[in-house]
Amino acid sequence: DIQMTQSPASLSASLGETVSIECLASEGISNDLAWYQQKSGKSPQLLIYAASRLQDGVPSRFSGSGSGTRYSLKISGMQPEDEADYFCQQSYKYPWTFGGGTKLELK
Amino acid sequence: EVQLVETGGGLVQPGRSLKLSCVASGFTFSSYWMYWIRQAPGKGLEWVSSINTDGGSTYYPDSVKGRFTISRDNAENTVYLQMNSLRSEDTATYYCAKWALWNNYGFFDYWGQGVMVTVSS
Repeated sequence: DIQMTQSPASLSASLGETVSIECLASEGISNDLAWYQQKSGKSPQLLIYAASRLQDGVPSRFSGSGSGTRYSLKISGMQPEDEADYFCQQSYKYPWTFGGGTKLELK
Repeated sequence: EVQLVETGGGLVQPGRSLKLSCVASGFTFSSYWMYWIRQAPGKGLEWVSSINTDGGSTYYPDSVKGRFTISRDNAENTVYLQMNSLRSEDTATYYCAKWALWNNYGFFDYWGQGVMVTVSS
């Protein structure tokens, strides 16, 4: 199975700060990567697919990048509503696997 | 508006069975693969099962293979998860999710609200 390692496990950011979350795959996944946001007590919601494509309705301050085994999610200007857990997920090779998650808090 | 509504969760003793249902609306259900994904309390996400559009192909990780069965009824827009021989480690919130494809890139574009399954004596 492809292992997805996310970092950091947690971080806190100030209002307006730019935040980056990394996801490292155990082998190349050819941009077949999605990012999800999960607010407390809610189900995950799709933010980014195909490594860099923004899901409809997601604010443009969210962006994704990367290639090969290394991918990142960037939030350009932390907002209070961005406080959540974030997960990456690969769909390059079955079984689809998720990163362990990053807890983002507002400082 | 796409909606996925799971039901059937609850408290069950180890070794017993439970069946989850997920009713879909707002899209052509029969055209999409459907998945069950779970999340143990305070933990990450784990794929549990998947089913193709006509129900003829199903997939499971080793952790549930032989104990869980996914099925679907396209006439009722419903996907099911039959869980047998439940263990304490199956305790989790179970989500059904719709699988989407864009240029052969896959992702879960919609998730249900989740249903809690607690396995305990």
